[in-house]
Amino acid sequence: DIQMTQSPSSVSASVGDRVTITCRASQDISSWLAWYQQKPGKAPKLLIYLASNLQSGVPSRFSGSGSGTDFTLTISNLQPEDFATYYCQQASSFPRTFGQGTRLEIK
Amino acid sequence: QVTLKESGPVLVKPTETLTLTCTVSGFSLSNPRMGVSWIRQPPGKALEWLAHIFSNDEKSYTTSLKSRLTISKDTSKSQVVLTMTNMDPVDTATYYCARMGGLYFDYWGQGTLVTVSS
Repeated sequence: DIQMTQSPSSVSASVGDRVTITCRASQDISSWLAWYQQKPGKAPKLLIYLASNLQSGVPSRFSGSGSGTDFTLTISNLQPEDFATYYCQQASSFPRTFGQGTRLEIK
Repeated sequence: QVTLKESGPVLVKPTETLTLTCTVSGFSLSNPRMGVSWIRQPPGKALEWLAHIFSNDEKSYTTSLKSRLTISKDTSKSQVVLTMTNMDPVDTATYYCARMGGLYFDYWGQGTLVTVSS
């Protein structure tokens, strides 16, 4: 199974800041990676697929990059509604696997 | 409009079998590009993918729970069913079903919290 490791596990930032979250796969997954946002008590929401493609309706301040084993999610100009938990997920093979999550908190 | 909704018991006893149903609308379970997965999340913990069923009825399971899981579908009813045997308190979690449109989980149900306790 492919293991996904995110860092950091939590990060504090202020409105207007830029934040980067990292995800590493245990083997080459090409660009088969997605990022999800989850708010408390809600289902996850797809933000980015194929490592860098923005899902319809997602603000352009979200961006993704990377390929192979190393990936990043960047949120520019943080807005109050962005404070949530973020998960990466590999779509290269079954079984599908998620990272352990990164909690983005308000400083 | 695509929707998914989970249903099932909120409380099960240890050793019992859990049966959850995901009822979908807005797409067909026979669509070759669509499949449905079950994903769970223990309170305060990360997401864990459990199982997936493809349009052609092919199935895939997470390695660690494969012996306890069965996924099936009834296309005519637009339902996907997950059974998990021998439930344990560590299986307490919110269980989600999600559509895999292409390769990614683009639509999710609201989730259903299942508590395992005697």
